[in-house]
Amino acid sequence: AQSVTQLDSQVPVFEEAPVELRCNYSSSVSVYLFWYVQYPNQGLQLLLKYLSGSTLVKGINGFEAEFNKSQTSFHLRKPSVHISDTAEYFCPRRRSQGGKLIFGQGTELSVKP
Amino acid sequence: KAGVTQTPRYLIKTRGQQVTLSCSPISGHRSVSWYQQTPGQGLQFLFEYFSETQRNKGNFPGRFSGRQFSNSRSEMNVSTLELGDSALYLCASSLAQQDHYEQYFGPGTRLTVT
Repeated sequence: AQSVTQLDSQVPVFEEAPVELRCNYSSSVSVYLFWYVQYPNQGLQLLLKYLSGSTLVKGINGFEAEFNKSQTSFHLRKPSVHISDTAEYFCPRRRSQGGKLIFGQGTELSVKP
Repeated sequence: KAGVTQTPRYLIKTRGQQVTLSCSPISGHRSVSWYQQTPGQGLQFLFEYFSETQRNKGNFPGRFSGRQFSNSRSEMNVSTLELGDSALYLCASSLAQQDHYEQYFGPGTRLTVT
């Protein structure tokens, strides 16, 4: 089955520290990968996407992610987090046919002062 | 350009009732998808519409239905509500249904079933 695994349900980190949110997926075919952020009581906002080409993808708000085909991973990183980055993060993948996004369980990032 | 709008934002219904949720996509977007978000099951795909046709459907019972109008606006309906239907229902629009087009999400409708 095609699935997405977010390896950490919660990630606490201090302000200005670096952070990595881990995401693995299972697929034997080409995938399109995304990272979304969800702030409390809001919908999902796209941070970045990987379609093809360069494996290092830069997104908004200083986030970046690296696609690793051999490890089937797409981890999200930020060198220095802010309190305002506290939110839930999702890394869905999109099937090559069908169009739906397949989500993992999400990672709750909590940035402490 | 205005984002995806969903109405109403909050709803409280009683078991056995039915409910209709509305979604207006970003102008020019022709694909609309619906997702259910709950603490236990996370985000699950309900269905996708493109050009008024349902293109994809998730694993939900027939009580969940939807439609899309010629202006791309979409509605989803849940009949005979159950307590387990309490969730945040998210609508997402996309320029087209090809996979490389990202989906833009609305703020959601929070449905509470009592």
